Amino acid sequence: DQQVKQNSPSLSVQEGRISILNCDYTNSMFDYFLWYKKYPAEGPTFLISISSIKDKNEDGRFTVFLNKSAKHLSLHIVPSQPGDSAVYFCAAMANQAGTALIFGKGTTLSVSS
Amino acid sequence: DGGITQSPKYLFRKEGQNVTLSCEQNLNHDAMYWYRQDPGQGLRLIYYSQIVNDFQKGDIAEGYSVSREKKESFPLTVTSAQKNPTAFYLCASSMGDTPGLEKLFFGSGTQLSVL
Repeated sequence: DQQVKQNSPSLSVQEGRISILNCDYTNSMFDYFLWYKKYPAEGPTFLISISSIKDKNEDGRFTVFLNKSAKHLSLHIVPSQPGDSAVYFCAAMANQAGTALIFGKGTTLSVSS
Repeated sequence: DGGITQSPKYLFRKEGQNVTLSCEQNLNHDAMYWYRQDPGQGLRLIYYSQIVNDFQKGDIAEGYSVSREKKESFPLTVTSAQKNPTAFYLCASSMGDTPGLEKLFFGSGTQLSVL
């Protein structure tokens, strides 16, 4: 049973426009959420995170929004650039000792110039 | 330069053979993890270790084994019991499960293929 779901396998956006990547989770114990970016044949790199005590976190072109009641978070990239083309993974974790990050299946973002 | 190193980059396994993937970190991180990536499957947790000489099974531990004899090292053995080992394997580390420190740092991965 998937605890972290990224229902859109792919997303295509034009350069300069906004990219919105969505993520849903089912475990109400999750209270820390992260987004990772991954290029082919490389390890994922951390992008941005948000704690459940916040509903928004912004870092440059990247903003993550958290809606706890809907168990939904989204990553906004504005403006999108061709270099943003990659697979984006949503991950979540419960604030309990001995747990590990649970990842979604990823969304492949393609930004065309 | 601090980081997490996986080797080899590419590995081939014959039927019935055990192979070991190396993962070393010099970040002084307490926790280390192994994930497997298959196309369309995202990252699935195999094993993780929060402290030396202790480790826990993840979601897909069957057919794998690990050891954590040193803080810096967390090798993964893919045994002959793993019937579908072809995948991209990712090792990661973090400072631990302290709130706000859960961010994982990943290695560059090992692509394992079966001959």
